Amino acid sequence: GESVGLHLPTLSVQEGDNSIINCAYSNSASDYFIWYKQESGKGPQFIIDIRSNMDKRQGQRVTVLLNKTVKHLSLQIAATQPGDSAVYFCAEKDSGGGADGLTFGKGTHLIIQP
Amino acid sequence: ETGVTQSPTHLIKTRGQQVTLRCSSQSGHNTVSWYQQALGQGPQFIFQYYREEENGRGNFPPRFSGLQFPNYSSELNVNALELDDSALYLCASSLQGSEETQYFGPGTRLLVL
Repeated sequence: GESVGLHLPTLSVQEGDNSIINCAYSNSASDYFIWYKQESGKGPQFIIDIRSNMDKRQGQRVTVLLNKTVKHLSLQIAATQPGDSAVYFCAEKDSGGGADGLTFGKGTHLIIQP
Repeated sequence: ETGVTQSPTHLIKTRGQQVTLRCSSQSGHNTVSWYQQALGQGPQFIFQYYREEENGRGNFPPRFSGLQFPNYSSELNVNALELDDSALYLCASSLQGSEETQYFGPGTRLLVL
């Protein structure tokens, strides 16, 4: 079946810089997208979501951008802090597809350099 | 913290055995989904329960089964354990109608020897 993938397995950034994590999806029927953060030994933590009728959504220090034309999703983290170190997953869902659950990518490990 | 709890936190079983994992959903949430996360991978959807019935399933064999109780808590049962069943099992709760916004528990780490 179709799946969500990420471009890079590891991203290293300097503390205080902005981080951009990318995600490509292949299911054109997907209309709901979520970013999760997973720290070592913990479950995924909801960060931000976006529906397909939007192309940008902002939260606290985070922004999600959606480009439906090229099926691309990105998560921008402003002023990256040591506590942002984690694996970040994008997930997608076709809301009209019934209770099929979320489809996750493999994740990007964000490493913060001091 | 999401308010979703899971037990046990860790478990070791041998091949062929059966295991039951438990999940309590966040207060007010009536839908529970279970996911399997292998090491270094993203979570994979197993199934979802709403109103005590399975209402969606991923690509997992029938030896993966579940229950949901009137208080919305849930169990995941796995029979005839295989080595490849070793993984982190995650429970996520949500509110039907906005079921896409799923909040995850800390998971149960299962090791099959």
